[in-house]
Amino acid sequence: DAKTTQPPSMDCAEGRAANLPCNHSTISGNEYVYWYRQIHSQGPQYIIHGLKNNETNEMASLIITEDRKSSTLILPHATLRDTAVYYCIAKETSGSRLTFGEGTQLTVNP
Amino acid sequence: EPEVTQTPSHQVTQMGQEVILRCVPISNHLYFYWYRQILGQKVEFLVSFYNNEISEKSEIFDDQFSVERPDGSNFTLKIRSTKLEDSAMYFCASSEARHPYGYTFGSGTRLTVV
Repeated sequence: DAKTTQPPSMDCAEGRAANLPCNHSTISGNEYVYWYRQIHSQGPQYIIHGLKNNETNEMASLIITEDRKSSTLILPHATLRDTAVYYCIAKETSGSRLTFGEGTQLTVNP
Repeated sequence: EPEVTQTPSHQVTQMGQEVILRCVPISNHLYFYWYRQILGQKVEFLVSFYNNEISEKSEIFDDQFSVERPDGSNFTLKIRSTKLEDSAMYFCASSEARHPYGYTFGSGTRLTVV
């Protein structure tokens, strides 16, 4: 699976959009981009995934660049409960494992 | 919202003892996984399980570990002879299919080996 690179930490004001970047410059054509988050020591929580097109669900939006070398997770109106470590993971279709990196610690401030 | 349930939430065991961690995956899910997270470290893949057999395992998942689906609802991880370094949070997860689906994780079992 391609390596992903994320900033170690970010801050966001409550009610504002949180934009979390991820670089995956070596991603291959059969690898999807997945986003998970982990609140404190709870189990990781699936957020969203995509291949080429931008995706949106009730939790977030995922913007993938045309060359697929980077992506951005957008939480449109961050709340204090969105404070968590966010993981960007590239996973190929044939594998079953998720390879977690260090992620980005997002802190939403009041 | 369907959940993956793990029991117990916390287990303390003596070094060298066998321990079984239990999980009830989401009922219509077909793929099951175990991950672990040593305190302060990354979440690490251990094993995936489908159709009553291991489909993939990591280098961590050695002969001391085994998994089983003893009935239609439970999925267990057994550690045969625990070591101090097995102390970690163990997360069970399940998914409808391997790809491209998000995995649903349980809230974890904190295993402390003393």
